[in-house]
Amino acid sequence: EAEVAQSPRYKITEKSQAVAFWCDPISGHATLYWYRQILGQGPELLVQFQDESVVDDSQLPKDRFSAERLKGVDSTLKIQPAELGDSAMYLCASKSQQETQYFGPGTRLLVL
Amino acid sequence: GENVEQHPSTLSVQEGDSAVIKCTYSDSASNYFPWYKQELGKRPQLIIDIRSNVGEKKDQRIAVTLNKTAKHFSLHITETQPEDSAVYFCAASWAYKYIFGTGTRLKVLA
Repeated sequence: EAEVAQSPRYKITEKSQAVAFWCDPISGHATLYWYRQILGQGPELLVQFQDESVVDDSQLPKDRFSAERLKGVDSTLKIQPAELGDSAMYLCASKSQQETQYFGPGTRLLVL
Repeated sequence: GENVEQHPSTLSVQEGDSAVIKCTYSDSASNYFPWYKQELGKRPQLIIDIRSNVGEKKDQRIAVTLNKTAKHFSLHITETQPEDSAVYFCAASWAYKYIFGTGTRLKVLA
């Protein structure tokens, strides 16, 4: 069964450093989401892509976060500079035209 | 803004008993309601979903009910087992957008 892939699985960085996360959605899934999940809470949407276009980035802190999906397939989420409060799980998800959304394993970020 | 409230935040049940988790959504445009199970350190996994044109759906020990008028939907797990212990998230979706609840930590006591 096809799955959403993410890397790295874990990342430890110091504040003010730059970090980048990668996501490869299920083949053929046009919609891709990046979520942030703080421990004990539900996923919160950061950015949503439809193919290579951003559909919703209203909750993305654009002063430090950026996301791209240049060819409409895999995607990268970047944080520069990282802050202590960015420590969280970053989840990528994808979906086809049907409404079922599938999550990747996530990248757990710890900012020291 | 749009939000989804989920209750309770924690739930402990004896093995074999039933568990019920409830969610309330705010946007009447929501038309798809999935439930996810997330075990510690793992990805959320879809366990059941329901669309707005259906009032109830069942899959073995899991069922979901939807009351569109009241904007409520609930997850029912019967004959709970220790492996049901996890965090459960509800979500309300419309036009490809998902709003998640805050999660319920379910503990099934052997």
